[in-house]
Amino acid sequence: NAGVTQTPKFRILKIGQSMTLQCTQDMNHNYMYWYRQDPGMGLKLIYYSVGAGITDKGEVPNGYNVSRSTTEDFPLRLELAAPSQTSVYFCASSYGASGRASVGTDTQYFGPGTRLTVL
Amino acid sequence: DAKTTQPPSMDCAEGRAANLPCNHSTISGNEYVYWYRQIHSQGPQYIIHGLKNNETNEMASLIITEDRKSSTLILPHATLRDTAVYYCIVRPRRSGGGADGLTFGKGTHLIIQP
Repeated sequence: NAGVTQTPKFRILKIGQSMTLQCTQDMNHNYMYWYRQDPGMGLKLIYYSVGAGITDKGEVPNGYNVSRSTTEDFPLRLELAAPSQTSVYFCASSYGASGRASVGTDTQYFGPGTRLTVL
Repeated sequence: DAKTTQPPSMDCAEGRAANLPCNHSTISGNEYVYWYRQIHSQGPQYIIHGLKNNETNEMASLIITEDRKSSTLILPHATLRDTAVYYCIVRPRRSGGGADGLTFGKGTHLIIQP
C-alpha cells in the first residue's frame, strides 16, 4: 500500500499560470480532501469529496476547482495562479462509511504534500 | 466544532514521558477528541482519538478528564523522532454521509532534547 501519493513535490508558477495538483489513494477510501497550509498556520480545508462524481466546498475554495471521476483520484486545479496561493497543499483520504460506522473510519490519512510557490 | 487551546511549545528530554495538554472546555456530548502530529514538512499523521474513556495504542495514551473539558496526550518514552507539532482536534461523530474536514489550530511544537 502506497497510501496517499501527491505529485509534484515542488512547483514554482508565475502569476496567471494554471496547474493541476495530483492526488491518488490506493486504500479504497470513499472520502478525499484537499487542504492548504500557510507558513506557521494550521491546515485549512479547500474542497472535499464523498465519492466519485460528488464534490463540495470547504473553508477556502476560491481560486480552486476539483473533480472526482474515480475513487482513487482527486486532482486540484488552479486556473489563474496568484501569490496568495503560495502554500503547501495536502491531500487526505478516509474510509467514510455511511450508516452507524465506527468513528475510527473517519481517521484521515495524509499525503506528503506539494509545496507551491507563485511568483 | 468545539475550540481547543494548546500551549504553543514544550520541551521534553529524550526517554522521558511527554505530556501534552489540551483544553476543550466547550466540548459537547457527541464530540470526540483527536490527536494528530506533523513532523516538519510532512503530512499530518493520526495518533489517537477518544470520547470519554482513556485510550492507548502503540503510539500514545490519551487521558480525558471526567468532565471532558481537557485531555492529555502521553508519549511514554519520547525519542528525537517525536519532535513535531501536535494538534488536538475536537469533532463530532459522523454517521451517514457527509464528510467533514479537520479544523487544525496552531498546535503544540514539541521539542525532544537529547
